Amino acid sequence: GDSVTQMEGPVTLSEEAFLTINCTYTATGYPSLFWYVQYPGEGLQLLLKATKADDKGSNKGFEATYRKETTSFHLEKGSVQVSDSAVYFCALSAGGTSYGKLTFGQGTILTVHP
Amino acid sequence: DTGVSQNPRHKITKRGQNVTFRCDPISEHNRLYWYRQTLGQGPEFLTYFQNEAQLEKSRLLSDRFSAERPKGSFSTLEIQRTEQGDSAMYLCASSLDRANTDTQYFGPGTRLTVL
Repeated sequence: GDSVTQMEGPVTLSEEAFLTINCTYTATGYPSLFWYVQYPGEGLQLLLKATKADDKGSNKGFEATYRKETTSFHLEKGSVQVSDSAVYFCALSAGGTSYGKLTFGQGTILTVHP
Repeated sequence: DTGVSQNPRHKITKRGQNVTFRCDPISEHNRLYWYRQTLGQGPEFLTYFQNEAQLEKSRLLSDRFSAERPKGSFSTLEIQRTEQGDSAMYLCASSLDRANTDTQYFGPGTRLTVL
C-alpha cells in the first residue's frame, strides 16, 4: 500500500539556519505530494504541493521538489525563523482514480531558537 | 470562507459511552474526509464522502464507528461503546472536486479522551 516516511525528529535549529526535512514515499501510479504544517494549538494547514515529477512547490520561503527517480519530496528552507516552529507532515494522494485520500508521514517537530 | 469547523473541540467520556462529533465543511466543498490522529503520529484516513455518498471506509473504522453526511452538507461521526483506544484527535477535512486542485482544508479537530 501507499506509505510516507519522514526523517525522525525532533529537529532543533538556531534562527537563520538552513532546514532540510527528508521525506520519501511508496505509491502505485503517480501521486501528488504535499507538505502540511501544524502550528501549536492550530489545525493542519497546507504549506505546499507538487502534482507531477520535477515540479517544485514553494510557499513562505519553503521549497520541495518532486523527485520521481528517488521517490522523495524533501522540504527545505534557507533561513528559518522562530515562527517556523511547528510540526511538519509529508503526505501523498495517490493518482489515477483516487478521490484525494491523503496518506501522511509521522510528522517532524521543528523547534527554532532565537 | 469561514473554514472547516468542528464541534465539540474537546470531549471527555467514560468507557462504554457513545459520542458524536460534527463537522461543517467549507460551504461549496463536495468532498468531506474524516481522519484520526494519535499522539506523535500523522493523521490516518477513516472515511470519505462525495456529496452525501460515503464512498470508502478504512479498515480502521470498526463496526462501532458510523459516519453520515445527510444532504451533502455537514457530517457526523459517531462512536458507540467507546474504548480507551479511541482516545485521539478526530480531524475533518473538505475539498472541492476540481481538476488539479483537490486541496484538502482541515478543521481544528475534536480531541476525544476516553476514561
